[in-house]
Amino acid sequence: GQQVMQIPQYQHVQEGEDFTTYCNSSTTLSNIQWYKQRPGGHPVFLIQLVKSGEVKKQKRLTFQFGEAKKNSSLHITATQTTDVGTYFCADAGGTSYGKLTFGQGTILTVHP
Amino acid sequence: GAVVSQHPSWVICKSGTSVKIECRSLDFQATTMFWYRQFPKQSLMLMATSNEGSKATYEQGVEKDKFLINHASLTLSTLTVTSAHPEDSSFYICSADRRTGLNYGYTFGSGTRLTVV
Repeated sequence: GQQVMQIPQYQHVQEGEDFTTYCNSSTTLSNIQWYKQRPGGHPVFLIQLVKSGEVKKQKRLTFQFGEAKKNSSLHITATQTTDVGTYFCADAGGTSYGKLTFGQGTILTVHP
Repeated sequence: GAVVSQHPSWVICKSGTSVKIECRSLDFQATTMFWYRQFPKQSLMLMATSNEGSKATYEQGVEKDKFLINHASLTLSTLTVTSAHPEDSSFYICSADRRTGLNYGYTFGSGTRLTVV
């Protein structure tokens, strides 16, 4: 089945530094979703990207969908301690009732 | 916004016993719910898709007789881990499909941490 590779697995940054996590697929993605999971918590939906080359921003977070719709990235500018958690990309499968196929996730640690 | 309530939050059970986990959609009807399993520091792995009024669809490698799923109403899906063993200890999370247009995501329950001793 569809596999989504996500890197890096871990990222440790100092507060104020930037952070980026990348997702790649060997096949074209219909759309991709991003989730954040705080330690001990559950995934919370951040955004969905649908269009080729799409760029969306949410305050300090910038999400990109590659032109070929095979890769995506999440960039956080000037990280804060509240950004700590695991960030997952997920292939939404392209159907209304499509199941999510999650990437491996990137665990972000922010040192104050 | 869409809320999915999952109970219990955590449970400790003895090996060989069964545990039932409930997932309710509080302010919407969920024809389809999904059950995931997550081991520490790992990703979420889909176990099964729960369809209201019909049999669940299990992912490859998931034992349907061990993980019983019932979706009897549009607001409730249950996962029963039967004859639990220590290797079943994990974080189980449900999610529901709440379509509100193009920019929607899935809403997750708060998860159930199962420890089998």
